[in-house]
Amino acid sequence: AQSVTQLGSHVSVSEGALVLLRCNYSSSVPPYLFWYVQYPNQGLQLLLKYTSAATLVKGINGFEAEFKKSETSFHLTKPSAHMSDAAEYFCAVSGSNDYKLSFGAGTTVTVRA
Amino acid sequence: DTGVSQNPRHKITKRGQNVTFRCDPISEHNRLYWYRQTLGQGPEFLTYFQNEAQLEKSRLLSDRFSAERPKGSFSTLEIQRTEQGDSAMYLCASGPSQGRGEQYFGPGTRLTVT
Repeated sequence: AQSVTQLGSHVSVSEGALVLLRCNYSSSVPPYLFWYVQYPNQGLQLLLKYTSAATLVKGINGFEAEFKKSETSFHLTKPSAHMSDAAEYFCAVSGSNDYKLSFGAGTTVTVRA
Repeated sequence: DTGVSQNPRHKITKRGQNVTFRCDPISEHNRLYWYRQTLGQGPEFLTYFQNEAQLEKSRLLSDRFSAERPKGSFSTLEIQRTEQGDSAMYLCASGPSQGRGEQYFGPGTRLTVT
């Protein structure tokens, strides 16, 4: 069974600073990995996905993530935080057949002016 | 592409009542998923369909819950005899069967059971 663990339930950064959100996965087969963002009272929006092509994946809104098999990690970064990045971020993993997603507990990002 | 839509967006019901939610997926997507999200948690998988066939149900989906996708298009999720513990956000997502697992989520239906 696949699972993910997000390290840190809350991250606070200054506007313009680096955003780093950590995600480690557990999977017995090569995983499909995803990052989603959720704004208050809304559904989830897909930021980016890893599907065994390039290990550095670029997503929307300036986010990117690097797949490291040796560390079983898929951390999300953004070089310069913007106020609009304040939201909750979820890492997720899926199997290669049914594609059902298993989510981490989420990391809430706060951006300070 | 109008995205995934869900109705209603909010539902308040009294304990013991039945409720039904609707999800309209992206039209060309074969797969449709239901998830439940409680406050401060990530979404949890409930069930999924490929076309009209319900292929898997989570153990979270008690016998009070039933989902259908009668013509392989929209889907409904019904909860019978609601309990306060059913209060949550119910999320629907759809995805292509030929894709790499990505799913596109609707805005969710927030259920409050009083």
